[in-house]
This record gives sequence, C-alpha cells and structure tokens, in this order.
Amino acid sequence: GAVVSQHPSRVICKSGTSVKIECRSLDFQATTMFWYRQFPKQSLMLMATSNEGSKATYEQGVEKDKFLINHASLTLSTLTVTSAHPEDSSFYICSARDQGGLLYNEQFFGPGTRLTVL
Amino acid sequence: KQEVTQIPAALSVPEGENLVLNCSFTDSAIYNLQWFRQDPGKGLTSLLLIQSSQREQTSGRLNASLDKSSGRSTLYIAASQPGDSATYLCAVRPDNQGGKLIFGQGTELSVKP
Repeated sequence: GAVVSQHPSRVICKSGTSVKIECRSLDFQATTMFWYRQFPKQSLMLMATSNEGSKATYEQGVEKDKFLINHASLTLSTLTVTSAHPEDSSFYICSARDQGGLLYNEQFFGPGTRLTVL
Repeated sequence: KQEVTQIPAALSVPEGENLVLNCSFTDSAIYNLQWFRQDPGKGLTSLLLIQSSQREQTSGRLNASLDKSSGRSTLYIAASQPGDSATYLCAVRPDNQGGKLIFGQGTELSVKP
C-alpha cells in the first residue's frame, strides 16, 4: 500500500513551452501533497504544499505564476512548469500524506520526473 | 530556520562493515524524523521513521536513533552489502508547519565487494 505515481517519468521540451507533471496517490487519499525539486548532487528542496480544494502554499523564492499547482481531487495533484527555460531542468518529486490511514504521519514519495529543457 | 546537516557527504567501505551515518538539525521542535534511501535517478524509499517521542527504530539491518534535545540522529547499518550502495537522506518534519519535510544534503554510500 501507500503508492505514489508520477507521470511522465522523463520529459524533454523546448524552451518556452509548458510542461505538466502529474502526481497520484494510488491506494490512499491525500488531502496534502508536496512538490520538491532536486538538482544534481543536491538534496530535495520543497517548492510548495498542495492542498486539495484550495490554493497551494509556495516556499519563499518559488514563483507561483511559473510553477502552477492544481490539486483538484484527493488523489491527484499537478505541477505545470510554464514557459520553461533551461534553468528549470531538474528532477521534480512529489510526495503525499495518507490523511486517513494508520500511516498518516508518513510521507510517501513518487518516483520523480526528470525535466530537461533544451 | 531549521537546517539539517549530514556527515559524511560520502563514504566508501568494504562489504561486511558496520557503519554509522550522522544527521543533525538546528531546531529541536520536530514532529518526526525520517531516513530515506535514493538510488541514482530514482525517487525516495522510506527506511525508518522516528516520532519525536521515540528514541530509536529498527528494521532488519538498519537502526535509527533520535536524540531530539541535542538535535541528532544516526542511522546504523549492520553488515553492509554492495546492494546498500545509494544516497541516504535524513529529513525532519518541523512542528506546526503543515507536514513539510526539511532534507539534509545526503550521504553517498558505496559498499565495495
């Protein structure tokens, strides 16, 4: 149980285009999901907290108009990188909390999405 | 502001050795602490989670301890194997901050056959 999926696993796009990444909790409901970003050889940095049915909370320094987050259901959150540029190339990882289960203290992570912007 | 530091940044050991990875955090107001494993280019696998009221957790060859007052946690790996080679990340969940995690930089472990 407690599986989180991400789609796509890898995406290459041209500079200026927008890319949407999906994060799904497959076997539990998650009112809260988190989006992290990881540069090579670095740790994960939290970008934003995604709450079902409300606006996301962004960390300081993260542009909310560039990284659009939508959490329309209890099992799906999406991150859209708008007008992507090469500096947005990174590994994006989502996580979800099982709000209703015995493991509600724990976060479960997706497999990540490798974004390369040419 | 909570900061998490992991030492060492990299570690190479021969197979069979017992080893200790260290994690320290600056603010003791934490809800829990988690240890993760990350293989190259992959997501995170949760290894152990320690609640703030707990002192340690064990799973197989892994044992994690927590000393909240001193801001320290250790991950002990017994009888290391080449398959243990990966990056190990420590993350704390601060109190009253919506459940987000603050990660350390990780320790890159290489176990040589």
